[in-house]
Amino acid sequence: GQQVMQIPQYQHVQEGEDFTTYCNSSTTLSNIQWYKQRPGGHPVFLIQLVKSGEVKKQKRLTFQFGEAKKNSSLHITATQTTDVGTYFCAGGGSARQLTFGSGTQLTVLP
Amino acid sequence: DAGVIQSPRHEVTEMGQEVTLRCKPISGHNSLFWYRQTMMRGLELLIYFNNNVPIDDSGMPEDRFSAKMPNASFSTLKIQPSEPRDSAVYFCASTPPGGGNEKLFFGSGTQLSVL
Repeated sequence: GQQVMQIPQYQHVQEGEDFTTYCNSSTTLSNIQWYKQRPGGHPVFLIQLVKSGEVKKQKRLTFQFGEAKKNSSLHITATQTTDVGTYFCAGGGSARQLTFGSGTQLTVLP
Repeated sequence: DAGVIQSPRHEVTEMGQEVTLRCKPISGHNSLFWYRQTMMRGLELLIYFNNNVPIDDSGMPEDRFSAKMPNASFSTLKIQPSEPRDSAVYFCASTPPGGGNEKLFFGSGTQLSVL
C-alpha cells in the first residue's frame, strides 16, 4: 500500500530561525495536504497542493509539491513561538483516502 | 458554526469493558472518517463512511472494533472488549461533498485510556 515518509521526526529551532519538513511517498500522489496539530489539539488543515511543481505561500509558510508528485516540503521562514506543533503531510490516493506521514514535531525556543 | 463534535473528551476504562465513542459531523458533510493516533503508529485511518455507508474498513484492527453511522449526523465507534493496547486518541473527521480528496475537518478527539 501507499506509504508516506516524513522527516525529520523532531526539530528544535531558535525563534527566528527557519524550519523545513520533508515528505516522500512510495507512489505518485494525486495531491498532498498539510496539517498542523498543536500540543493537545487536533489536526487542522493548512493547504492542499495538486499540480506537479506547485508552490504555494501562506505568509511565512511555503509549500512545494515535487515535479514527480512523490514528494513535498513545508518551509517556515523566521519561526515564531506560535509555530510550535506537529506538522503532518497527507498524501491523496484513491477513494478519498489520505495517508498521513508520521509528522514533524517542531519546538521553537524563545 | 459548530465543527465536528466528539464525545466523550476523555474516557478511562478497565480492560474488558465496552467503550463507545461518538461523533457528530459538520452539517452538510457527507463523508466521515475515524482515525486513531498513537506515538508508535501515528495517525491511522480506521474506517470511513460516504453518505452513511461504510466504504473501507480495512483499517479496523480486529473484530473487537465496530463502527456505525445510522444517519448523516451521527456515528459511533465501539470497542468490545477493550484492551490496554487500544489506548490512544481517537479522532473523527468529516469532509464536504466533492470529487477528490477534500480537506478533513477534525473533531477534538477522545483520549481513551484502557487500564
